[in-house]
Amino acid sequence: DSGVTQTPKHLITATGQRVTLRCSPRSGDLSVYWYQQSLDQGLQFLIQYYNGEERAKGNILERFSAQQFPDLHSELNLSSLELGDSALYFCASSVLHRAGVDTGELFFGEGSRLTVL
Amino acid sequence: AQSVAQPEDQVNVAEGNPLTVKCTYSVSGNPYLFWYVQYPNRGLQFLLKYITGDNLVKGSYGFEAEFNKSQTSFHLKKPSALVSDSALYFCAVRPLLSGGYNKLIFGAGTRLAVHP
Repeated sequence: DSGVTQTPKHLITATGQRVTLRCSPRSGDLSVYWYQQSLDQGLQFLIQYYNGEERAKGNILERFSAQQFPDLHSELNLSSLELGDSALYFCASSVLHRAGVDTGELFFGEGSRLTVL
Repeated sequence: AQSVAQPEDQVNVAEGNPLTVKCTYSVSGNPYLFWYVQYPNRGLQFLLKYITGDNLVKGSYGFEAEFNKSQTSFHLKKPSALVSDSALYFCAVRPLLSGGYNKLIFGAGTRLAVHP
């Protein structure tokens, strides 16, 4: 058990809908990362938050947004869903080495499997 | 462009034999390097990392990896494979020029199949 909790584990929805994925990082970790894993694109970095602020942005679509709350949990919002958004969405958190700098390794949750029909 | 390559989609090994899963990278500067393993329907688990120092890094479950700067490679190895090692393995890199922010770039993954 990595200590990172993601809900829901599975989600089935229709095209055009909106869903919210939730992540609770490991206790004490200030950074949260979202990744998308699909068969054709592999593991793609979406976005990173550190202590409530956006730190880095990757291949995140404009239809997607995220935020990190004061209690450090994070939510990934996916809207106007398309068939191609079906994927496994991972949240990860990382160890804080010193203020603002991580030692490297990420700890991943079990993922939320999204199926868009 | 910064990238990680895992040239083999799948590696097949007999139980008890040594295994190697290959990884090469193309990033600026001297990056941090990682290996993760993913079992079916599970998240990624951290195996080991290289930051600096000895080129041979030891990690979890008997795995080790060898950093080769001249070849920009970071191959994962294990002296004696177990059937339970069968999983999907990802190599990842964090460029030091990423501003200290821990964005990892992952390879496409290599499926390891260990046969009894």
